[in-house]
Amino acid sequence: QVQLVQSGAEVREPGSSVKVSCKASGGSFNHFAITWVRQAPGQGLEWMGGIVPLFGAPRYAQKFRGRVTITADEFTGAAHMEMKDLTSDDTALYYCARPLFDSWNGYYLVDWGQGTLITVSS
Amino acid sequence: DIQMTQSPPSLSAAVGDSVTITCRASQNVNTFLNWYQQTPGKAPKLLIYATSKLQSGVPSRFSGNGSATEFTLTIRSLQPEDFATYYCQQSYSPPRTFGRGSKVDIK
Repeated sequence: QVQLVQSGAEVREPGSSVKVSCKASGGSFNHFAITWVRQAPGQGLEWMGGIVPLFGAPRYAQKFRGRVTITADEFTGAAHMEMKDLTSDDTALYYCARPLFDSWNGYYLVDWGQGTLITVSS
Repeated sequence: DIQMTQSPPSLSAAVGDSVTITCRASQNVNTFLNWYQQTPGKAPKLLIYATSKLQSGVPSRFSGNGSATEFTLTIRSLQPEDFATYYCQQSYSPPRTFGRGSKVDIK
């Protein structure tokens, strides 16, 4: 099993940016991939986007395109999610998660980080 | 985007009960449907992938069924640790959307 450890909580002002890191350790990094999911207080899970470095560019949910950048390094097992132009609506717990995927079973999130709380407040 | 609708949003049950949660997709997702469990203050945990395949270590009282647009998660003989919120997720196409969750609490 791969362990994912995320960076600590952050407080940001509206209009600013934040970068959250996620480091994988243990297990195999074969076809290393990372997905980011967020959860606003008391709300459900929201898929933001993900990346498989071996396959190329990241993919984003439409609402995050242009405002979120996801990067990952398959050799070090490190991933980052940067979000700009923050508003109070971005206050949430942000999770990185490692997907497994294949043609028969699809794509599913097997390992999760502990979550990073991002609070946007003036 | 594919919309995922879960029902019921919440339900109350007793230890030993069986419960079923339904997840409907706005379009055909084949069998690319996953279920996660989340307890308060914890990250989600994968229970079932590809509609009916139990993730390693998940008790056999959990089962999944369905295809195309309608799916179910059944928990037989509820245990105290099963009181949680359950989310479905389609993995047919990005964005890989989640349902809004179904909370199972103690009656």
